[in-house]
Amino acid sequence: QQQVKQSPQSLIVQKGGISIINCAYENTAFDYFPWYQQFPGKGPALLIAIRPDVSEKKEGRFTISFNKSAKQFSLHIMDSQPGDSATYFCAASISLFGNEKLTFGTGTRLTIIP
Amino acid sequence: GAVVSQHPSWVICKSGTSVKIECRSLDFQATTMFWYRQFPKQSLMLMATSNEGSKATYEQGVEKDKFLINHASLTLSTLTVTSAHPEDSSFYICSARLGGSLADTQYFGPGTRLTVL
Repeated sequence: QQQVKQSPQSLIVQKGGISIINCAYENTAFDYFPWYQQFPGKGPALLIAIRPDVSEKKEGRFTISFNKSAKQFSLHIMDSQPGDSATYFCAASISLFGNEKLTFGTGTRLTIIP
Repeated sequence: GAVVSQHPSWVICKSGTSVKIECRSLDFQATTMFWYRQFPKQSLMLMATSNEGSKATYEQGVEKDKFLINHASLTLSTLTVTSAHPEDSSFYICSARLGGSLADTQYFGPGTRLTVL
């Protein structure tokens, strides 16, 4: 199974709140989990990434939580700002033998309201 | 660092013509580049994986003869949409993979909006 399921499809959060986006996968061979941020008409930009050997990674206001046993990982955006309004994609790939193809989630459209 | 550019950023062409899109890694060498297609409000669909100096590997359902990919150098890959038709209108995005300890990291270009009339 190569699918990565992402939820919710859309999310509205008040400024200053916490935005949480969830992803789940089936393939236990996945060992690299990045999150991308995409603004309309632009290419995705790498936000933060994690490997299964850690359960959490934090970079500024962005945190990835990873639950290997549940095969789930999530993105938390603390103190959400209007500038964070974008579409967020989770992804997963397998490093073994150089197979770095990313499998993307379906995306979450995040809107931060004042 | 890790900047990927695409040219053109948008193109409008007539049905039946061919369009070439360039993808360049500006500040690093990319042995592998990827081409994606994205329809409005949808996720990215991988079209093909391009390795420098070798033939591209296409995903199932992607027509090799229609979407020609050339990876002539470590910093340049091109996608040519041959005999374009309106259904080929889409947002095409390339990415380049860093090597070494960050071998899994893909950096994306800004995308090319193709409209076929």
